[in-house]
Parts: sequence; structure tokens; C-alpha cells
Amino acid sequence: QQQVKQSPQSLIVQKGGISIINCAYENTAFDYFPWYQQFPGKGPALLIAIRPDVSEKKEGRFTISFNKSAKQFSLHIMDSQPGDSATYFCAASNSGKFYFGSGTKLNVKP
Amino acid sequence: GAGVSQSPRYKVAKRGQDVALRCDPISGHVSLFWYQQALGQGPEFLTYFQNEAQLDKSGLPSDRFFAERPEGSVSTLKIQRTQQEDSAVYLCASSLVGASGGLGTQYFGPGTRLLVL
Repeated sequence: QQQVKQSPQSLIVQKGGISIINCAYENTAFDYFPWYQQFPGKGPALLIAIRPDVSEKKEGRFTISFNKSAKQFSLHIMDSQPGDSATYFCAASNSGKFYFGSGTKLNVKP
Repeated sequence: GAGVSQSPRYKVAKRGQDVALRCDPISGHVSLFWYQQALGQGPEFLTYFQNEAQLDKSGLPSDRFFAERPEGSVSTLKIQRTQQEDSAVYLCASSLVGASGGLGTQYFGPGTRLLVL
């Protein structure tokens, strides 16, 4: 059973637009929700993360929105740039064990 | 080193061959994780160490998979009698704090791409 469900599988956005990626989880024991960015041939790199006691966290152009009651969280990339083109993974963790979504391949068109 | 390093970066093995994958975590990092990433999928947890102790190995797919971290730094993931379904990228990550302490950022290495023919 997949612990974290991620959508969409792929996303095409024009430069300057907003990219939105969604994730849902079932286990209410999860207490840490990070987003990772992965470029081809590289390992994932932490982008931004949130705890369930906060509904929103913003770092630069990246914002996590968290809805605890709906067990959903999303990543918003404002003013998307071609350099943001990568695969994005959401994850959820409890006691250090991380469960990753299946990934969203983002392509930002110039 | 500045980050997590893994070696080899690529490994081609014949079915039935044993392989050993190495991970050098960031110096001083307490926790070390191994993940398996199939093509087009997210990483899947294999096992976790806190210092030299293997605290969780629930993700290892079979008893052909074995991981160790004898001195609490470098770790080796060994796969015996490799099968075609073992073909994947194996990622190592380390974090400064123990997992029971919560939210240590995981820093990933570049991975080892294993192809079993």
C-alpha cells in the first residue's frame, strides 16, 4: 500500500507561471513532510519541509500548503523558471522512516 | 568531503553475482539510510543505521540484501546472488541527528546505478 500519493505525474508550465504539485497521505502518525528536488543523475535534495502544526511555510519562491484535516499537502513554485525543471518528490516521515511519493516531472517552458 | 559520496556510480552485474555498494556519509552524521529507487519512481526505504546500530531493516526486500556500518561511518550494502529485479538506483542518505530526535535533514548521495543482466 502506497503511503504517500502524489499527483500529477508530469507537469508543463510556462516560465513565470505557478507550478502546483499535490500529495496525500493516510497515516496520521506522520510528523514531518519534506519536498525534494531531483535532477537527472543526482540524488534528491531537500527543498522545503513542514511540520503538521503549521498550515503554510514559504521559502523564497517555494511554498508548502498543509491541510491536516484533509491529510493533504502541496508544493507551489511561484514564478517558475526553466532551471526549476526537475523531478519533485513529496515525502512523509515518522520516527525517521521516510515514505516518498512517486514523483512529478516538471518541465518549465522558456 | 562536502557531501555524501557513493561508489561505484555504475555497476553491471551478471545474474547470480554478488555486489557491494559503498556509502561515505557526511562526517559526523549519526544517521544513515539506504533507499532503492526504481526507474521513474520515488525512493523506497531499505534500512537505517544510527551510528553502528541497524535500527530498522524492514525495507530490505529479501535475505539476499545485507547492510552494515561497523564503525558508525562508512556503510556497505551487499546484494548476494543478484537478480534482474534488483536493477535500480541505490541511494544513501545521512543526517546529523538520530531519527528518534525527529527532523534531521537527509542529505542524499548521487546513488549507484545497478544493472543486473
